Amino acid sequence: AQSVTQPDIHITVSEGASLELRCNYSYGATPYLFWYVQSPGQGLQLLLKYFSGDTLVQGIKGFEAEFKRSQSSFNLRKPSVHWSDAAEYFCAVGARGSYIPTFGRGTSLIVHP
Amino acid sequence: EAQVTQNPRYLITVTGKKLTVTCSQNMNHEYMSWYRQDPGLGLRQIYYSMNVEVTDKGDVPEGYKVSRKEKRNFPLILESPSPNQTSLYFCASSPRRDLNTEAFFGQGTRLTVV
Repeated sequence: AQSVTQPDIHITVSEGASLELRCNYSYGATPYLFWYVQSPGQGLQLLLKYFSGDTLVQGIKGFEAEFKRSQSSFNLRKPSVHWSDAAEYFCAVGARGSYIPTFGRGTSLIVHP
Repeated sequence: EAQVTQNPRYLITVTGKKLTVTCSQNMNHEYMSWYRQDPGLGLRQIYYSMNVEVTDKGDVPEGYKVSRKEKRNFPLILESPSPNQTSLYFCASSPRRDLNTEAFFGQGTRLTVV
């Protein structure tokens, strides 16, 4: 079975600073990988996904993530954070042949002005 | 507009009083799923359904029931709610299996059991 670890429960950054949220997965083959964002009081919105091909994936809202097979990682990055990026971020891994993703525990992003 | 709709958004109930949280999707998705979200635990899957009349347990099914009589609806039933079922619940849907797809989520239902 697949699993995903988000080692940081909270991350605090200043507005305009760069951001990297960590995600490590465990799966025997190449997985499907996702990053979702949950704004306060909202459902989950897909930021980006990786299925195959180019390991650097561009998403919405200026986010990108890089799949590194050797490190079993799929870290989310943004070069310059905006106050509106404050939210909960979830990494998820899906096994090929199944649509059902396994979610990490989430990382709460706090943005200081 | 393509969406997953949950109702109600907020619910406060008492221990033991049966309740149903509805979920409906308008995208003709075959797969639907229920998650609960608790602080520090992320999203944990309760039940999922691969098609009409096909349901299966997820990671935390105890105390919950589901049904899938129609493709678009996937209600979550708590026959006898308990305080440990106080949580934020999400319904999700997804197109066919084995394709490069992602799940679409509802807005969530915040349930409090007192």
